[in-house]
Amino acid sequence: QVQLVQSAAEVKKPGASVKVPCKASGYNFTAFFIHWVRQAPGQGLEWMGWMSPSSGDTKYAQRFQGRVSMTRDTSITTAYMELTRLRSDDTAVYFCARGTPSGWWGQGTLVSVSS
Amino acid sequence: EIVLTQSPGTLSLSPGERATLSCRASQSVRSPYLAWYQQKPGQAPRLLIYGASSRATGIPDRFSGSVSGADFTLTISRLEPEDFAVYYCQQYGSSLLTFGGGTRVEIK
Repeated sequence: QVQLVQSAAEVKKPGASVKVPCKASGYNFTAFFIHWVRQAPGQGLEWMGWMSPSSGDTKYAQRFQGRVSMTRDTSITTAYMELTRLRSDDTAVYFCARGTPSGWWGQGTLVSVSS
Repeated sequence: EIVLTQSPGTLSLSPGERATLSCRASQSVRSPYLAWYQQKPGQAPRLLIYGASSRATGIPDRFSGSVSGADFTLTISRLEPEDFAVYYCQQYGSSLLTFGGGTRVEIK
């Protein structure tokens, strides 16, 4: 069955970078966009961008331009979201999701940014 | 960027009642590419509705979506205990997707 598996949690200091993996299985990895969505504690969903696993093309929300990079390794059917220059307000659960709209989601990775 | 405004922020209802949730777009949503998601605490969102009115696989028929111009509506005909959650709309007609701020449906 379709699965998107993410790492459980990351703890980072302000100014550092985080690279969150999303391991896909159970379907043709290159056939569906991967979206990244984050959710700060007690807040709503925020769309960050999408990546095409077949071409590597990406589109990022304007507020993350210059700080986010979405990549993939098709040999291990894994998508990645890297966020640089982390701030405390980047503390959130980061979800990967398959397709547009997204019918399959990873379980989320909690990224905590604290000094 | 298309801004989606959801209302009300919170809906307090009893099981068996009808819930009507609104999502208004700041500009026309192409085609209409609008989805609704349900999210429960500690869980990932679940896709309910896509294309404004098509139910996703396995979604009960008490959930329905409709559109009138730039106004989208999610209706839950009779609330079941498991329906109390937060609901988000999302537009995907633009290459820059956006979510609404969410509506919490709570038990009255």
